[in-house]
Amino acid sequence: GIQVEQSPPDLILQEGANSTLRCNFSDSVNNLQWFHQNPWGQLINLFYIPSGTKQNGRLSATTVATERYSLLYISSSQTTDSGVYFCAVETWAGSYQLTFGKGTKLSVIP
Amino acid sequence: GAGVSQTPSNKVTEKGKYVELRCDPISGHTALYWYRQSLGQGPEFLIYFQGTGAADDSGLPNDRFFAVRPEGSVSTLKIQRTERGDSAVYLCASSLLAGGRTDTQYFGPGTRLTVL
Repeated sequence: GIQVEQSPPDLILQEGANSTLRCNFSDSVNNLQWFHQNPWGQLINLFYIPSGTKQNGRLSATTVATERYSLLYISSSQTTDSGVYFCAVETWAGSYQLTFGKGTKLSVIP
Repeated sequence: GAGVSQTPSNKVTEKGKYVELRCDPISGHTALYWYRQSLGQGPEFLIYFQGTGAADDSGLPNDRFFAVRPEGSVSTLKIQRTERGDSAVYLCASSLLAGGRTDTQYFGPGTRLTVL
């Protein structure tokens, strides 16, 4: 099956700093989503981005499908950004299941 | 509108017992998914429903796991003869599907299952 690798696995930032999270995948995908899992375990949708660039406030994402990677940018980080960020891809395997990476654990300190 | 809801939020059971986990998807979403998340890992796919039928159950680990969605809305994940290795957070997601095109999957808060 498809492999999804996220880097870095852990990241500590000072409040106000910027960061880039990376997601590499091993095969063509129909869909890619970025999620934030907050400290209470809730998975929150950030972007649905099979290709191109999208922005939402301090967050933006770019997927280059032909090169099999996606980037999540976080600018002016806040303590509420802490948590685990997951990249998940959908490949057509008879269903629309998502395959998740292992996540990047982000800690933003005041 | 309301998001995906799951009940119970926590379930503690003893090895060998039977459990049922419930998922209420977003109204109007035809696709429903179950995933399982172990500590420190990303969610792993279990089963996918399109309407009432299980379109893909390739992620179910063995025949102790079964899921139904009899009216195309609420779904129940059933685990027989629970084992300690079944302990995990069970996540449900739903999405709109139209014309064979996928859409964002929205996740519920999960049910934390602990098998003693």
